[in-house]
Amino acid sequence: SQQGEEDPQALSIQEGENATMNCSYKTSINNLQWYRQNSGRGLVHLILIRSNEREKHSGRLRVTLDTSKKSSSLLITASRAADTASYFCATDGNDYKLSFGAGTTVTVRA
Amino acid sequence: NAGVTQTPKFQVLKTGQSMTLQCAQDMNHNSMYWYRQDPGMGLRLIYYSASEGTTDKGEVPNGYNVSRLNKREFSLRLESAAPSQTSVYFCASSPLPGHEQYFGPGTRLTVT
Repeated sequence: SQQGEEDPQALSIQEGENATMNCSYKTSINNLQWYRQNSGRGLVHLILIRSNEREKHSGRLRVTLDTSKKSSSLLITASRAADTASYFCATDGNDYKLSFGAGTTVTVRA
Repeated sequence: NAGVTQTPKFQVLKTGQSMTLQCAQDMNHNSMYWYRQDPGMGLRLIYYSASEGTTDKGEVPNGYNVSRLNKREFSLRLESAAPSQTSVYFCASSPLPGHEQYFGPGTRLTVT
């Protein structure tokens, strides 16, 4: 069964706007990761945040983690057409097996 | 570096046929994984290999077998394909379990 659940399922924004998506999970984790998947391609790793971290940045990406609420958010600032993709969160527990959510599909309109 | 490569890219099988999906990585990673992705769903782990010489079941192993041939290669075999195995299959590797994973381009499999 899938551990993470992303919200919303789909998001449409204008170029230059920010995009925020959330991930909730059920059991305790070691790490939470975010991946991007462009249409018809493999997944690309974006950020890994450990359970003892609260926030992490990478370029225009900002990830937060709230283990008390079992949730994470991914913020993409100043979005571009190239950010159009599906975004997945993935969590792992003691066995380090990743469990993926169903993803958020982001469309950036020019 | 090619990263993670998968062959074939596309395959059509008839019910009951068998086939092997090949995966190779050139990043000297210890861990390798096989996932399937169905429409509207995230990836589900079929099998993984934490290190050379070890394999273990994931969430949906039924109908599949794997071989970790060496550190570079991890193959997935369908012994008797069923329509329920129609999916896109992704291979991935990581330096160690729990680290970021690097994905191949996928194999689109249709079973009729």
